[in-house]
Amino acid sequence: DAGVTQSPTHLIKTRGQHVTLRCSPISGHKSVSWYQQVLGQGPQFIFQYYEKEERGRGNFPDRFSARQFPNYSSELNVNALLLGDSALYLCASSLDPPSTDTQYFGPGTRLTVL
Amino acid sequence: GENVEQHPSTLSVQEGDSAVIKCTYSDSASNYFPWYKQELGKRPQLIIDIRSNVGEKKDQRIAVTLNKTAKHFSLHITETQPEDSAVYFCAATPTSYDKVIFGPGTSLSVIP
Repeated sequence: DAGVTQSPTHLIKTRGQHVTLRCSPISGHKSVSWYQQVLGQGPQFIFQYYEKEERGRGNFPDRFSARQFPNYSSELNVNALLLGDSALYLCASSLDPPSTDTQYFGPGTRLTVL
Repeated sequence: GENVEQHPSTLSVQEGDSAVIKCTYSDSASNYFPWYKQELGKRPQLIIDIRSNVGEKKDQRIAVTLNKTAKHFSLHITETQPEDSAVYFCAATPTSYDKVIFGPGTSLSVIP
């Protein structure tokens, strides 16, 4: 049984560019959450989607957006990249929303903004 | 807003000793408290979790206790082994929001 997968593994962008990160949840999981993890810190919540609807949003600027598709996969988009956006972006999936069910993390996408 | 504090930030123990990590949360409506272990360069892995209707849960060498009145919960690792060395994160999930708030992490080193 495949776990949560994310693509790409690594990404290098320059300031001002935009980026799209992708996540495929565990089969049968309907909830996907996105986190940003800066080196040496805990994951910071960005978005949570359940059944294709946004159910939660963290304290991130409008440059960050996401969506969930009918097959429950998800994309995280970041516009007008800043140096401070360099981080590991983690996706986590669960059967139901994380308030009621266990989340499992993907391997992450390492984004470097130059 | 919601906040989770975690102490200590670093912890060094001798192999075979016990390790305790403590967390406090701000949102009294939180009802789910997972603990994750993250090894260098790897994804966070769930090691144990507890819900608000339970005061203690144990899984082999790992146990978690929850005090809802005081809004704090703790991770206990007994008979530590070198492979327990990693960063440990506690987290809390407020029922009013579908999000998981993580603590800043504890770097545990188990010295052989």
